[in-house]
Amino acid sequence: AQSVTQLDSQVPVFEEAPVELRCNYSSSVSVYLFWYVQYPNQGLQLLLKYLSGSTLVKGINGFEAEFNKSQTSFHLRKPSVHISDTAEYFCAVRGSYNQGGKLIFGQGTELSVKP
Amino acid sequence: DTEVTQTPKHLVMGMTNKKSLKCEQHMGHRAMYWYKQKAKKPPELMFVYSYEKLSINESVPSRFSPECPNSSLLNLHLHALQPEDSALYLCASSPPVGGRLPHEQFFGPGTRLTVL
Repeated sequence: AQSVTQLDSQVPVFEEAPVELRCNYSSSVSVYLFWYVQYPNQGLQLLLKYLSGSTLVKGINGFEAEFNKSQTSFHLRKPSVHISDTAEYFCAVRGSYNQGGKLIFGQGTELSVKP
Repeated sequence: DTEVTQTPKHLVMGMTNKKSLKCEQHMGHRAMYWYKQKAKKPPELMFVYSYEKLSINESVPSRFSPECPNSSLLNLHLHALQPEDSALYLCASSPPVGGRLPHEQFFGPGTRLTVL
């Protein structure tokens, strides 16, 4: 069964600094990977997705992620963060047929951008 | 219309009340989902509807009763809830992928439920 591990529960960073949020997955089949962002008191917004093709995926708000099959990772990066990027970030993998294809979420990483 | 809408935004109910949450999308998506999310935790899947039929029930207590009247609408009926059911309830939908399992899900803004 698929699973997801987000390696950092909290990431504090200063404004305009680069950031990387780490995500590792376990899967024995084809993977479909996602990053979602959740701002306070809001729903989840899809940042980017990897379904197939190029391993470097660009998303909204200047974020990108790299699918690395050998390291089973899908880390999220942004070269220069803004205060407005402060939010909870969830990495997710689509589950297998046995799991009904549901989204399997990591525990989340709280990104806190300080001035 | 490119979004999932949920009503109400906030709901406060007593343990003996009956209330309903509503979710709507007009994107032609044929899979719809209910999630429960506690603070600082990822969403937990409750139910999945595929082509208006219940396909997954994650062993949710019967005090939660889902309903999918048509392809655009998803309800969650609540009855005799407990204080620990207080949470953010999220609805999501997925576009069809030629009969295969859907890929990404698009989430609504959620309903903040408080059970007194």
